[in-house]
Amino acid sequence: AQSVTQPDIHITVSEGASLELRCNYSYGATPYLFWYVQSPGQGLQLLLKYFSGDTLVQGIKGFEAEFKRSQSSFNLRKPSVHWSDAAEYFCAVAAGQAGTALIFGKGTTLSVSS
Amino acid sequence: GAVVSQHPSWVICKSGTSVKIECRSLDFQATTMFWYRQFPKQSLMLMATSNEGSKATYEQGVEKDKFLINHASLTLSTLTVTSAHPEDSSFYICSARERSDSYEQYFGPGTRLTVT
Repeated sequence: AQSVTQPDIHITVSEGASLELRCNYSYGATPYLFWYVQSPGQGLQLLLKYFSGDTLVQGIKGFEAEFKRSQSSFNLRKPSVHWSDAAEYFCAVAAGQAGTALIFGKGTTLSVSS
Repeated sequence: GAVVSQHPSWVICKSGTSVKIECRSLDFQATTMFWYRQFPKQSLMLMATSNEGSKATYEQGVEKDKFLINHASLTLSTLTVTSAHPEDSSFYICSARERSDSYEQYFGPGTRLTVT
């Protein structure tokens, strides 16, 4: 069965420091991968997605992610974190035929210290 | 871009009553809508998938008689929590897919349900 693992439940990063959030997926074929951000009490905002092509994907708010098939990973990165980046981050995979629902990881809470 | 709205954004109801949550795609027609439930500090769990004009497909463990889903038009899906109990208190999020061959979903802002 398809699954998504986000190994880090909570990460604290100093403002201005770099960030990497880990995501590993389990799926036999090429997955469609997403990163979403959720602020408290809010819905999900799409940061970026990978469907095919260049394995380094640029997203909004200065985020990027790299798809590594050999490691079954799709880690999210940002070179310099801002206090407003503090939120919950979810990695998700769409696996199987088009039209199926997303499978979400358990999420990583990002705290930003000043 | 594609916008999905939910109404209400939060609702408090008494135990035993029913609550209806609406999910609308504002600038596109949604062939498929999904309903998720999110407990505090947890991930989103898919409850059901609804396609316009057909019955919803519920995930294992989700009571279809308790969580009634109607997708009457290409822009509106509703989730009715019937005979609500405190354990139904949660954050409910809908998402919509524009094309049946698309993997991308657009999420609504969520509805916080509190049952007292």
